Amino acid sequence: AQSVTQLGSHVSVSEGALVLLRCNYSSSVPPYLFWYVQYPNQGLQLLLKYTSAATLVKGINGFEAEFKKSETSFHLTKPSAHMSDAAEYFCAVTLTSGTYKYIFGTGTRLKVLA
Amino acid sequence: DTEVTQTPKHLVMGMTNKKSLKCEQHMGHRAMYWYKQKAKKPPELMFVYSYEKLSINESVPSRFSPECPNSSLLNLHLHALQPEDSALYLCASSRGTDPTRDLYFGPGTRLLVL
Repeated sequence: AQSVTQLGSHVSVSEGALVLLRCNYSSSVPPYLFWYVQYPNQGLQLLLKYTSAATLVKGINGFEAEFKKSETSFHLTKPSAHMSDAAEYFCAVTLTSGTYKYIFGTGTRLKVLA
Repeated sequence: DTEVTQTPKHLVMGMTNKKSLKCEQHMGHRAMYWYKQKAKKPPELMFVYSYEKLSINESVPSRFSPECPNSSLLNLHLHALQPEDSALYLCASSRGTDPTRDLYFGPGTRLLVL
């Protein structure tokens, strides 16, 4: 069964520093993977997704993620954190059979320090 | 228009009340969803409508009753809720139900049951 694990429920970085949010997946077949961001008091917004085309995926707001099959990972990165990046980030996978439901990870709260 | 709107933004209700949450999108999406999100948790799927027909009910208690009057509107009728039902209720839509779909979320209705 497909699932995702996000390591680190809280991550703090200094403004201007590299952002790295970790996501590992478990899937018996090639998965489709997503990163969503949720700002305070808002709904979720798609940052980027992997759908078996390019393994390096670029998203909005300067974020990117690399699909690594050998490591079963899809980590989210941004070279330089901005205060406005402070939010909750969810990794997700969709089931590849049946109803194609989204399975969300438990989330990582990113704090950006001035 | 890439927006999903939800009303009301906040709702306080007693355990004997009947209320409704409303969701609207004008992107021509044919799938609409209700999610429930507790604090510091990922969204949990409640219902999925595809082409205005209920396609997924995640064993949600009958005190939650969804309705899809047309392809742009989704309602969630609430009756005799319990305090543990207090949460952020998110509506989402997508173009279809394929596994690579993007979900577009509304800002949510924050519900407090007293």
